[in-house]
Amino acid sequence: GQNIDQPTEMTATEGAIVQINCTYQTSGFNGLFWYQQHAGEAPTFLSYNVLDGLEEKGRFSSFLSRSKGYSYLLLKELQMKDSASYLCAVRDSNYQLIWGAGTKLIIKP
Amino acid sequence: IAGITQAPTSQILAAGRRMTLRCTQDMRHNAMYWYRQDLGLGLRLIHYSNTAGTTGKGEVPDGYSVSRANTDDFPLTLASAVPSQTSVYFCASRKRGGSTDTQYFGPGTRLTVL
Repeated sequence: GQNIDQPTEMTATEGAIVQINCTYQTSGFNGLFWYQQHAGEAPTFLSYNVLDGLEEKGRFSSFLSRSKGYSYLLLKELQMKDSASYLCAVRDSNYQLIWGAGTKLIIKP
Repeated sequence: IAGITQAPTSQILAAGRRMTLRCTQDMRHNAMYWYRQDLGLGLRLIHYSNTAGTTGKGEVPDGYSVSRANTDDFPLTLASAVPSQTSVYFCASRKRGGSTDTQYFGPGTRLTVL
């Protein structure tokens, strides 16, 4: 079966760095996405990885290792507005997105 | 309109009633999707459409139907609602063939079936 695993909840301090991990087992791989979802809102796109390595976008970076079925999202210089759920999704061989349950990130002052 | 709109924003529905959730996009994206999101679970695909005139079943299609008469609209119908269909429903669209093929989401419809 297809499976995406990520921690349910994480807590971090404002100004710090946090890493959210995602492991996956899917039928085929055509890219991995990270989305941010604030409570009561729609998911919004953060990053996309299809090749191994690190993609950096300002305070956010995403890493992929296809051989290990592993990705992480790194958030630096945390701000209170980063409190949200972070969703990992893999595009499978049918070009559909398989979603993890999301990691709720709580930022404390 | 800018992006994707959904209607209604929220709805309370009696079990057994028929309900259509509306989704409209103005980005001329060819692919559209309906997901449901339940607490503790990831987004689950209900139905999708790769282009106007075609539809396909996702992971959880039972009890739902869709149509795609044109590029912009992708309504989702619950023929006879049941309490297990209480959920938040998101519509999304994607421009196939783009560099990242990102899916863009509407604001969601919160549906409660009693």
